[in-house]
Formats: sequence, structure tokens, C-alpha cells
Amino acid sequence: GAVVSQHPSRVICKSGTSVKIECRSLDFQATTMFWYRQFPKQSLMLMATSNEGSKATYEQGVEKDKFLINHASLTLSTLTVTSAHPEDSSFYICSATTGGLAPYNEQFFGPGTRLTVL
Amino acid sequence: SQELEQSPQSLIVQEGKNLTINCTSSKTLYGLYWYKQKYGEGLIFLMMLQKGGEEKSHEKITAKLDEKKQQSSLHITASQPSHAGIYLCGADGSAGGTSYGKLTFGQGTILTVHP
Repeated sequence: GAVVSQHPSRVICKSGTSVKIECRSLDFQATTMFWYRQFPKQSLMLMATSNEGSKATYEQGVEKDKFLINHASLTLSTLTVTSAHPEDSSFYICSATTGGLAPYNEQFFGPGTRLTVL
Repeated sequence: SQELEQSPQSLIVQEGKNLTINCTSSKTLYGLYWYKQKYGEGLIFLMMLQKGGEEKSHEKITAKLDEKKQQSSLHITASQPSHAGIYLCGADGSAGGTSYGKLTFGQGTILTVHP
């Protein structure tokens, strides 16, 4: 199956700093990438949908100025958590899809990034 | 918006036992996905169901989608410790399957299998 990587896998930062997380589709071109957030023992919550070459679409309640998403190419999307605070500590997972209607839009998930803000 | 309710929220079984996890939707399901997740890791795709009455199996795991396409079940036969993890159902986020991959997830079921 298709492979999606995330970097870094873990990051610890100080409060007030910005952190960038990369999501790459390694062997296919992803027209759409999704960013999810997962708190301990909870499900995945969709944060935003990222389409190559256009602005991301954010879910209700997600601050677009705090979570900057850039999808500059068909294989790379980045999520930047700006001015991170301890409440931003979470597990961030991206997924990538080639787009289209089901069943041709299977999402391939990255391994996740554990962010800890001190 | 699509809402998915999973039950049970957690399950502890003895190795060798069968178990079932359910996923119920408030709306018609146009694409129902089952994933497995180890804590702190990404999601592993298990199966995708699309048609009413559809049933798929892989190794000891069987997933079904009911005729009305509002409920799915995941059944594990003769469970093993390797089956332990979080099971998530996910569904296409809009009616008609036109969300181009955007998924809404259930809250997850934590499965523990004791040897």
C-alpha cells in the first residue's frame, strides 16, 4: 500500500515557540491531505483539509492562524503550530489521498507526531 | 454532519474468545472504514465497506455493513494478544460519498486481549 511519512515523530518545545510538522506521501501524489488531532484515549478529530496549491479548509473551532497549513506540492503538506502552549500538546496525524469518489479515495495515514509543549 | 457511535468503548477478553465491535451512524453510510491503531502510532487500514449487506474478511477479522447502511460490525474470531489496540470506524463525511476522502471517526474501542 501507499506510504505516508511524518517528521518529526516526537517533538518537545517550550511554550511560545512554533513547531513545524511535515507530512509526505512517499510513493504517490496526494491531491488532498488531512490533518487530525488525537488526545489520549480519544478518537481522531479532523482539523483541516489541505489541497495542493490552495488554502486549507479548517473545521469549525480550529484556529487557522494558530495551525498554519501549507500544501506546496503533491507530496508534501506541513502543519505549523504557532506560539504553542501546553494545551496544544497532542498527537497529530496526517493522511493523504489521491482524491476522487469512494472507493477511490482511500486515506493513507502517517505514523503521527507526538507534540509536547512545556 | 455524520456522527458515528462505537460500542463498546472498551473491551477486555481472554485469548481465544470471539468479540464484536459495533459502529452505528445517524446517517446513511456511503463508505465505512475500519482501522486499527496502536497507542501512539498511526492507523492501519483493515477494511472498507460500501454496499448494503457487504461482508469482508481478512484473516480472523470480518466486517459487515447492514442492508440499510447505517450500522457496521467488526468481528474477531479466536482473538490473540496481537489483536489488542484501538479500533476505529470512519465514514465518508458527507452524504452521497462526495467528500473526497474526508472522514469522520467514531470514538474508538480499546481492545485488550489477555493471554
